[in-house]
Amino acid sequence: EVQLVESGGDLVQPGGSLRLSCAASGFTFSSYAMSWVRQAPGKGLEWVSGVSTSGGGTYYAGSVKGRFTISRDNSKNTLYLQMNSLRAEDTAVYYCAKGGTTFSSTWPVDWGQGALVTVSS
Amino acid sequence: QTVVTQEPSFSVSPGGTVTLTCGLSSGSVSTSYYPSWYQQTPGQAPRTLISRTNTRSSGVPDRFSGSILGNKAALTITGAQADDESDYYCVLYMGSGISVFGGGTKLTV
Repeated sequence: EVQLVESGGDLVQPGGSLRLSCAASGFTFSSYAMSWVRQAPGKGLEWVSGVSTSGGGTYYAGSVKGRFTISRDNSKNTLYLQMNSLRAEDTAVYYCAKGGTTFSSTWPVDWGQGALVTVSS
Repeated sequence: QTVVTQEPSFSVSPGGTVTLTCGLSSGSVSTSYYPSWYQQTPGQAPRTLISRTNTRSSGVPDRFSGSILGNKAALTITGAQADDESDYYCVLYMGSGISVFGGGTKLTV
């Protein structure tokens, strides 16, 4: 059974930084592209960032490019999202998502339960 | 910037059939966009219904089906049930590792 468990969500001040982690199990982690998807309160889903199977390819939505960095450690079956220069509009539940098996197939197939990030002073 | 479009809301009678669509502000959706569909109820994580146009996820009833209709991706629910009342989202793969969600459709049964 695929399991994706996010951690690291917290309350942070505007301009601050936070790192989310996603521990994966139940599948061969290194064989799948991975993504982060967020949902602001009362809003729809927004694809934020993706990473290729090897970690050599990283991809970002325009709203976070230059501020967020996605990475993965295939030896630890863990996905990360480093978030810098956080803004109030980054407040959301962040979901870790498993993609497909082709190099950059970042559309979500399986989902974690989400981690809440609140950006407020 | 290309926008992925969905109907904001839709209503269907119990037992009825409804087709939700997923389009592009410019251009046509094809299988090359690997359209996928998700169901979400309030307070819950999304659930994947359909991947890569028409592949149902494990455990998804066969009354949910995906296709390309004209220039859009489509999710058809046949024999709608009360617990199908949810928000439905599509996602399109734009290439170069980028995926984009539609704004979602609120389905009332």
